Amino acid sequence: GAGVSQSPSNKVTEKGKDVELRCDPISGHTALYWYRQSLGQGLEFLIYFQGNSAPDKSGLPSDRFSAERTGGSVSTLTIQRTQQEDSAVYLCASSLAGREQFFGPGTRLTVL
Amino acid sequence: AQSVTQPDIHITVSEGASLELRCNYSYGATPYLFWYVQSPGQGLQLLLKYFSGDTLVQGIKGFEAEFKRSQSSFNLRKPSVHWSDAAEYFCAVTNFGNEKLTFGTGTRLTIIP
Repeated sequence: GAGVSQSPSNKVTEKGKDVELRCDPISGHTALYWYRQSLGQGLEFLIYFQGNSAPDKSGLPSDRFSAERTGGSVSTLTIQRTQQEDSAVYLCASSLAGREQFFGPGTRLTVL
Repeated sequence: AQSVTQPDIHITVSEGASLELRCNYSYGATPYLFWYVQSPGQGLQLLLKYFSGDTLVQGIKGFEAEFKRSQSSFNLRKPSVHWSDAAEYFCAVTNFGNEKLTFGTGTRLTIIP
């Protein structure tokens, strides 16, 4: 596609449920990133993929958060046992190695 | 650790007036610097980037930014703002081999007629 796409655009879930957020990067981009944007914390890095490997997971806030990337393309961010503090906009970005990142529209997650 | 400071949380500018948004970074190595813009409910759009070379960089929508190493700054400028420029602006830094972006807290720009 022309840009980074993310789905769903909005997700409302109940506390304790698991959620999966999907990111489709720009075709050919080898690097993929997840960030979180919340009112209290601003824009925070979560995890970075180069190909299917994740050399930097330093931003994942807890072991309830995990991510994978398959085929060097699509990535899924999974949050288990969601908590209210997980409510945020989750942004995905992709890039060629060492180049500027292009962002998707984000997934707004609301945990009730 | 790298950090970015955007000292202005909110700026109001009249349409047609000039604009300067401030960004200061703290980084030990040669930084890669970016400005992104975010309209309500939207993702981040890249306005411009600095990797190396000419310290005055041109971006989209008539924006420019100047890298000043001595001041650790990368301020964003536009000579004449339009109502459509109302948005939130984020400065970000990384370096080669680090990859992840560190963002400032953002500056919200309001345009008045």
